[in-house]
Amino acid sequence: NAGVTQTPKFRVLKTGQSMTLLCAQDMNHEYMYWYRQDPGMGLRLIHYSVGEGTTAKGEVPDGYNVSRLKKQNFLLGLESAAPSQTSVYFCASSYSVIRAGEQYFGPGTRLTVT
Amino acid sequence: DAKTTQPNSMESNEEEPVHLPCNHSTISGTDYIHWYRQLPSQGPEYVIHGLTSNVNNRMASLAIAEDRKSSTLILHRATLRDAAVYYCIPGAGSYQLTFGKGTKLSVIP
Repeated sequence: NAGVTQTPKFRVLKTGQSMTLLCAQDMNHEYMYWYRQDPGMGLRLIHYSVGEGTTAKGEVPDGYNVSRLKKQNFLLGLESAAPSQTSVYFCASSYSVIRAGEQYFGPGTRLTVT
Repeated sequence: DAKTTQPNSMESNEEEPVHLPCNHSTISGTDYIHWYRQLPSQGPEYVIHGLTSNVNNRMASLAIAEDRKSSTLILHRATLRDAAVYYCIPGAGSYQLTFGKGTKLSVIP
């Protein structure tokens, strides 16, 4: 099993450009999450999904949109990138509410917005 | 979520045991205690979790105080690969994992 994979690994954007980050998991997990991690900081939750077709806001959702059209994929979109969105983005997944605290993370996408 | 206090950093010699402490004095009765670690340039990795009893798995042991206000992650024989930031996360039974700054563990060869 590949676990949780993220595409791309690195990206540089200019201010105002848009992009989509793709997260895929092959563990048949119900729940999926997007986090961001700024230098020297812990992770902060952006959005999450408790099942196919559902999404919800996390701690820092502004400037991001998400979609979960298929159970195994969770997309994070930036419609108009800003320098404040320069960060490392991690996707994670977990089985269900009973084991929601046991999350499996992808390797991350390093995004720089100039 | 319960507030946590962890040392900013710790050092250990290779092949010696390591005890990583965490205080979570405001933990509620139903909160699990999860531990994660993050190796350099990688995503966080689940290590172990528990509620009241001590727990063991292939990676580590978790010792939980009787009053549940503190816990200790035990690595039985530290290796260079264990050098990472370790996060103690109480209350991680819901959707959001609240990562603090964790403890940076350095392992000395």
